[in-house]
Amino acid sequence: AQSVTQLDSQVPVFEEAPVELRCNYSSSVSVYLFWYVQYPNQGLQLLLKYLSGSTLVKGINGFEAEFNKSQTSFHLRKPSVHISDTAEYFCAVSPRGGSQGNLIFGKGTKLSVKP
Amino acid sequence: NAGVTQTPKFQVLKTGQSMTLQCAQDMNHNSMYWYRQDPGMGLRLIYYSASEGTTDKGEVPNGYNVSRLNKREFSLRLESAAPSQTSVYFCATNWGPTYNEQFFGPGTRLTVL
Repeated sequence: AQSVTQLDSQVPVFEEAPVELRCNYSSSVSVYLFWYVQYPNQGLQLLLKYLSGSTLVKGINGFEAEFNKSQTSFHLRKPSVHISDTAEYFCAVSPRGGSQGNLIFGKGTKLSVKP
Repeated sequence: NAGVTQTPKFQVLKTGQSMTLQCAQDMNHNSMYWYRQDPGMGLRLIYYSASEGTTDKGEVPNGYNVSRLNKREFSLRLESAAPSQTSVYFCATNWGPTYNEQFFGPGTRLTVL
């Protein structure tokens, strides 16, 4: 079984400051890793993903994440945030080789960017 | 090409009423999913369907039934709604090179009084 822990439920930050949203996972098998973003009153949109290859992955809107297998982490970073980045961010994992493609989500981190 | 559509967008029910949430995808993918989203709980899988004619329970199936009508459509039914089922419901389908990514619909916001 897999589980995902997002270490911060809320992250307030000032505009143009850097931000890191933390995600740790637990799994007995190898996994694919994802970050999704949900803007207020909208559905979920894929931000970035790690499937294989380079452990540093870049996504939309200037976000990037680094897969650390030894620490079972997949933290999301952005060097300079904008007001428009205010949203809820979800980390998710999916077991490799699984036929159903099921995603297991963390509980989310609300990023609040203040002017 | 709408991707994943859900109807209705909003619904208010009284306790004990029934309703069906509709989901359709035009991406020609096999797997479809129903999640519920509650504050501080993330998304939890209710049911999924790996292909037409098959359905399986997820993490929180109690109080729900599903039907995979054809490849495009996957409906979620509440037979006797309860206040605990007040939530936002998302439908999704598989996407991407490994089919482990999921593409989400816009959601249905359900309130049970």
